[in-house]
Amino acid sequence: RKEVEQDPGPFNVPEGATVAFNCTYSNSASQSFFWYRQDCRKEPKLLMSVYSSGNEDGRFTAQLNRASQYISLLIRDSKLSDSATYLCVVTFSDQGGKLIFGQGTELSVKP
Amino acid sequence: EADIYQTPRYLVIGTGKKITLECSQTMGHDKMYWYQQDPGMELHLIHYSYGVNSTEKGDLSSESTVSRIRTEHFPLTLESARPSHTSQYLCASSAPERGTSQYFGPGTRLLVL
Repeated sequence: RKEVEQDPGPFNVPEGATVAFNCTYSNSASQSFFWYRQDCRKEPKLLMSVYSSGNEDGRFTAQLNRASQYISLLIRDSKLSDSATYLCVVTFSDQGGKLIFGQGTELSVKP
Repeated sequence: EADIYQTPRYLVIGTGKKITLECSQTMGHDKMYWYQQDPGMELHLIHYSYGVNSTEKGDLSSESTVSRIRTEHFPLTLESARPSHTSQYLCASSAPERGTSQYFGPGTRLLVL
């Protein structure tokens, strides 16, 4: 079983839709949480960190549930430019703080 | 924008050649990483370094080697390239504090014929 798991998708949604991505992790020594975005044939880029109380950045909302070992990313009013792969990333204190990447969830926003 | 650079961006080379993929960063980050990623597939950590003269193998076995003689520089070498080494190689770095995010370079796309 992978330490960080995501639904690979693809998620095909129309412009303006709200879409939610889920991510689960299996190591209780979790430390930090991030969502990265990776465009086709490009490098991953940090989208946002995820804080315990949940946090929002414009149309993007990230939530963390430590008890359930679950992270989510909500995208509201999706744009064509949101089409990308979204990577859930967790660091674990018993792994020297290395970033552990999920396999990514592909999002395709259609006009 | 992150100040992390990789060269070459694209490399097509014949089997048996020795290649070195360069990675450098100007952020003074102690931690650096190499990932391998095939198209549409997930990232695999192949090497990492927590500082000068420190290198470790990652989660995915790789025939490549790395060195860390200077903080800003983390080259990856393949002594004898094979078609199975065809992939994208991504370099990343992060600040020394535990659990900080990583910044990625633009990647090197390697094709071994």
